[in-house]
Amino acid sequence: KQEVTQIPAALSVPEGENLVLNCSFTDSAIYNLQWFRQDPGKGLTSLLLIQSSQREQTSGRLNASLDKSSGRSTLYIAASQPGDSATYLCAGDYGGSQGNLIFGKGTKLSVKP
Amino acid sequence: GAGVSQSPRYKVTKRGQDVALRCDPISGHVSLYWYRQALGQGPEFLTYFNYEAQQDKSGLPNDRFSAERPEGSISTLTIQRTEQRDSAMYRCASSLGGQGPYNEQFFGPGTRLTVL
Repeated sequence: KQEVTQIPAALSVPEGENLVLNCSFTDSAIYNLQWFRQDPGKGLTSLLLIQSSQREQTSGRLNASLDKSSGRSTLYIAASQPGDSATYLCAGDYGGSQGNLIFGKGTKLSVKP
Repeated sequence: GAGVSQSPRYKVTKRGQDVALRCDPISGHVSLYWYRQALGQGPEFLTYFNYEAQQDKSGLPNDRFSAERPEGSISTLTIQRTEQRDSAMYRCASSLGGQGPYNEQFFGPGTRLTVL
């Protein structure tokens, strides 16, 4: 069974810190891995998508890496800001006839001013 | 209006009633997905379409749940004879389809369903 796990479930850091969110998946036959941000009462915002042939993607202060062999992805947030406070979800796309994403439970991030 | 839209945003219904949730995907997106999300959990897959064809409905919990996308654009998720356990956030997503970056999924704001 394909499962995605995110650790830690919650994280609180002071403003300005660099931080890493972790995502692990049980099936390495992954096509894409997508990171999302979820704000209360709002939808999921796509942050980064890493294809299986890539090792990392960057967008602004965000950098996501993918290591298929170890079944891990990390989301690095540089110079965190209070506006980064949200729940971050990772999701694996196994492609083929399985069009759906398999999500982790998320990491709730709180950045204190 | 470039994003995925869903309506209603909130729906409160009584047990036993039928509900219909609507999703309007990003224009030109071939694939459309329905997910359900409980509090403190990630979204869980329900079903998905390529154009008007339902490709996979393995995530639908039981036969009270059905979905359609008759013209390959707007989709409706219908829950018949609702039960309290159906209460959740229902999320819709769309993508260009295919593999690689073309399958990046974009989500709507969701419909919060409460069954009393």
